Amino acid sequence: AQKITQTQPGMFVQEKEAVTLDCTYDTSDPSYGLFWYKQPSSGEMIFLIYQGSYDQQNATEGRYSLNFQKARKSANLVISASQLGDSAMYFCAMRNFGNEKLTFGTGTRLTIIP
Amino acid sequence: NAGVMQNPRHLVRRRGQEARLRCSPMKGHSHVYWYRQLPEEGLKFMVYLQKENIIDESGMPKERFSAEFPKEGPSILRIQQVVRGDSAAYFCASSDLQETQYFGPGTRLLVL
Repeated sequence: AQKITQTQPGMFVQEKEAVTLDCTYDTSDPSYGLFWYKQPSSGEMIFLIYQGSYDQQNATEGRYSLNFQKARKSANLVISASQLGDSAMYFCAMRNFGNEKLTFGTGTRLTIIP
Repeated sequence: NAGVMQNPRHLVRRRGQEARLRCSPMKGHSHVYWYRQLPEEGLKFMVYLQKENIIDESGMPKERFSAEFPKEGPSILRIQQVVRGDSAAYFCASSDLQETQYFGPGTRLLVL
């Protein structure tokens, strides 16, 4: 069984600072993918970044990077130079290869303070 | 290239009525997934479909819920005899096989 744990229900960060959102996962499958989604107050789910379990390098997408530590089973999202528009719920999710369904964490509500 | 489309965006039903939620996948995607999000919670997987086939329905409640993805037309999530506990946001996602799932804007169902 897969499990995603996000231990930070809410975070407040000053604008322009970097922020790290924590995510740990549990799976017995050696092949899996990790995802981060953003859900603003308008409610849609926006894909941010993906990391495969066999990827040698940490994924990056613009201001988003994924700090992947396989031995610790953690996949933290790092947002550099935060902006007011980054205020949203952030969900970590995973999928075992061969099983298409995503398992989500409970999310972290990020608030950027001007 | 249009994204995943869902309609209606908001749906109000009285207890005992039926709710039909529609999802049109992103162009070129043949895999559709339905998830449910209760207030202040993460998304929970319900069902995974390909054209005319249900592949995985392990997250679907055993009664009142059904899903289809016909050869032509959108995927439909159908909830019969709705109860207040069905009030939630229902998200559809689509993908190519083993690729990233892209989500629609969701349907907010309110059962009175």
